[in-house]
Amino acid sequence: EIVLTQSPGTLSLSPGERATLSCRASQSVSSSYLAWYQQKPGQAPNLLIYGASSRATGIPDRFSGSGSGTDFTLTINKLEPEDFAVYYCQQYGSSPRTFGQGTKVEIK
Amino acid sequence: QVQLVQSGAEVKKPGSSVKVSCKASGGTFSNYTIAWVRQAPGQGLEWMGRIIPILGIANYAQKFQGRVTITADKSTSTAYMELSSLRSEDTAVYYCARAGMVPEYFDYWGQGTLVTVSS
Repeated sequence: EIVLTQSPGTLSLSPGERATLSCRASQSVSSSYLAWYQQKPGQAPNLLIYGASSRATGIPDRFSGSGSGTDFTLTINKLEPEDFAVYYCQQYGSSPRTFGQGTKVEIK
Repeated sequence: QVQLVQSGAEVKKPGSSVKVSCKASGGTFSNYTIAWVRQAPGQGLEWMGRIIPILGIANYAQKFQGRVTITADKSTSTAYMELSSLRSEDTAVYYCARAGMVPEYFDYWGQGTLVTVSS
């Protein structure tokens, strides 16, 4: 099973700042089958990024993903008030599919 | 547009079973996979398993093997997740999520179903 470790656990930032979230895999994620989701309280997760760097439909371009192999990054440029949420990475290259434990982006 | 609508909240006794449904609309049900993901209170996301409706084949996470059964009814575009031998640690919100055959990222999610296990 691929274990995904996200860091930091919590990121305290102000609107307008840049957020950089990390997701490290215990073994290589095949074909960069790595996705990022945003989850707000009381809501289902929402797909942001798939294939490590492709934005999902309707996702603003301030969200970008990068990385390959075992190291992946989600960057949010110029944080908007609606971006404060929990973010999860997930690999879908091998079974079982696994999620990271999440990074909470909170308002400083 | 694509929608996944799940059944309502459940309260169950320890040792019993629960069956949650997920009805899809707005897409071709058989062309996708449906996965089940759960989230315990204040915790992260946990993949339980998935089914490929067109094949009727389901795969499960090792942790849930023997306790979970995922099925799909193509005629009603509905997927089901049944979890047996419930214990308090199974208290969680259970989500269904749609993914393509390959690659299998989750582009649509149900609204979630809270299952509470309590004596």
